[in-house]
Amino acid sequence: QKEVEQDPGPLSVPEGAIVSLNCTYSNSAFQYFMWYRQYSRKGPELLMYTYSSGNKEDGRFTAQVDKSSKYISLFIRDSQPSDSATYLCAMSQGGSEKLVFGKGTKLTVNP
Amino acid sequence: GAVVSQHPSRVICKSGTSVKIECRSLDFQATTMFWYRQFPKQSLMLMATSNEGSKATYEQGVEKDKFLINHASLTLSTLTVTSAHPEDSSFYICSSDPRSTDTQYFGPGTRLTVL
Repeated sequence: QKEVEQDPGPLSVPEGAIVSLNCTYSNSAFQYFMWYRQYSRKGPELLMYTYSSGNKEDGRFTAQVDKSSKYISLFIRDSQPSDSATYLCAMSQGGSEKLVFGKGTKLTVNP
Repeated sequence: GAVVSQHPSRVICKSGTSVKIECRSLDFQATTMFWYRQFPKQSLMLMATSNEGSKATYEQGVEKDKFLINHASLTLSTLTVTSAHPEDSSFYICSSDPRSTDTQYFGPGTRLTVL
């Protein structure tokens, strides 16, 4: 079993839809959870960062962490064509520990 | 926010030559920098962790004599791909972890093509 599992998609939705992206993990020592957005041929851009369990909201984006289920989610409300990208979940044990990435989910929002 | 730059953004070289990629932290001091490689349609693979003033730590399977890392200052780390071959063609991305944030910020990446 891989440390982090993420469905690679692709996922295609109409503009305005609510998008749900998720990852599962096996290492209970992970404490820091991140979502990155990566456009084609660009470096990943940090979208959301959460410590331990709970929810975090930033504009149209909501990140959820359920450590008891080892499950994290990213919700995108009112999705826009500009949200079309690959979304990577990442997690670490903290400090300068290395990040462990999911494979990424390719999202396309159709106008 | 934390800004990381990379240079060059794209490089094409002949097989057998060496290529140096620079990674700079622009608005913070980076004690640690990370180097990743990403093949098309795949996730990021950590190659090595670069520590300022000491030797880099390489991930299993990464040849340290082929991928030379130097982290001589708190704002600059370099990755040199020595004797590059076509199979080294990839997207190389660096990141760093500003001490106050417990996360990593990535550079824009360098696309290497070896002919």
